Amino acid sequence: DQQVKQNSPSLSVQEGRISILNCDYTNSMFDYFLWYKKYPAEGPTFLISISSIKDKNEDGRFTVFLNKSAKHLSLHIVPSQPGDSAVYFCAAKNTGTASKLTFGTGTRLQVTL
Amino acid sequence: DTAVSQTPKYLVTQMGNDKSIKCEQNLGHDTMYWYKQDSKKFLKIMFSYNNKELIINETVPNRFSPKSPDKAHLNLHINSLELGDSAVYFCASSQLPAGGDTQYFGPGTRLTVL
Repeated sequence: DQQVKQNSPSLSVQEGRISILNCDYTNSMFDYFLWYKKYPAEGPTFLISISSIKDKNEDGRFTVFLNKSAKHLSLHIVPSQPGDSAVYFCAAKNTGTASKLTFGTGTRLQVTL
Repeated sequence: DTAVSQTPKYLVTQMGNDKSIKCEQNLGHDTMYWYKQDSKKFLKIMFSYNNKELIINETVPNRFSPKSPDKAHLNLHINSLELGDSAVYFCASSQLPAGGDTQYFGPGTRLTVL
């Protein structure tokens, strides 16, 4: 049972435009959400996170939006840059329990010139 | 300096062999993890240790045995390797075992079982 889903396996965006990556979850016990970025042959790198008490968190070009009623979150990257080309994983956890992250399957973002 | 390191980066071995993957973190974190990324790219938790104590043990065959000699190290030993064990294994660490804490990942070990 896949509790965190990223339904778009890939996304292509022009440099300078906005990239929007989506993530849906089914487990209502999740209360903390993270986005990780992964380059080939490297481990996932933490990008940004959001607690369920918020609906938006911003860090530079990256903004994460959380819609709890829809069990949906999204990552906005603006403006997109070629160096943003990577696989982006959405992850979720229940902070009341031992810290297990549940990951989505990832979305491959390609930023073109 | 590398925060979370794993050795080896690549491991190719025959079915039935026993192998180990080592992980070390220099972040001073109390909690360490092993994740497996399979051919479908699912990243799934296998184990977690907090201060050398096992706190998460997902449904993993008992051929997999984690060992934490100290809180900076979490090694993964695999007995009687099978074809289905081929995957990328990631080690991670965080300061806290629970809560809104960020996990930091190592570069991964690609295991290929022939």
